[in-house]
Amino acid sequence: QKEVEQDPGPLSVPEGAIVSLNCTYSNSAFQYFMWYRQYSRKGPELLMYTYSSGNKEDGRFTAQVDKSSKYISLFIRDSQPSDSATYLCAMSANAGGTSYGKLTFGQGTILTVHP
Amino acid sequence: AAGVIQSPRHLIKEKRETATLKCYPIPRHDTVYWYQQGPGQDPQFLISFYEKMQSDKGSIPDRFSAQQFSDYHSELNMSSLELGDSALYFCASSFDVRGRLFFGSGTQLSVL
Repeated sequence: QKEVEQDPGPLSVPEGAIVSLNCTYSNSAFQYFMWYRQYSRKGPELLMYTYSSGNKEDGRFTAQVDKSSKYISLFIRDSQPSDSATYLCAMSANAGGTSYGKLTFGQGTILTVHP
Repeated sequence: AAGVIQSPRHLIKEKRETATLKCYPIPRHDTVYWYQQGPGQDPQFLISFYEKMQSDKGSIPDRFSAQQFSDYHSELNMSSLELGDSALYFCASSFDVRGRLFFGSGTQLSVL
């Protein structure tokens, strides 16, 4: 079983819908939680970053982390066709040095927002 | 804003050949990470460097080596290439302790 589980979808929604993306994880040492957006054959683009539990909002995006349940979510409000991409959750622990950059990714969720 | 630059964008090699991938981090970023993403797979951590020293190692084959130079750019050297090495190779850089990584556009390596 993978350390990070993410529903691969695909997910198809109409423009303007609220999108909910989720990941669960098993490693209780994870402290840093990220959501990346990846377009086809491009590098992952950092969308949201959260340290430990809590909520973070940035424009149309809201990230939630529940460490007690080992569950993280990304909400996209008023979704746009330009949001169509693969969304990857990623997380890491801090075992010293630069280990925080050893990200463990979910499998990615393919999102399509149709006009 | 400056981003992470990787070269080449595409590389085609034959089995048993060698390949060198280059990464130029965002200015003032002192940490570089290499990731491998196979078709339909999530990125897998290979190796990282901080201040020109190897800092962490992941699932990197012994046939691969990497280093970070005095100008902080990094190179991933791959020898005795195998068909299974065909993948997107990403470089990412970071500058703070909060684990925010910024990825380049990747090098698509195809081994024939």
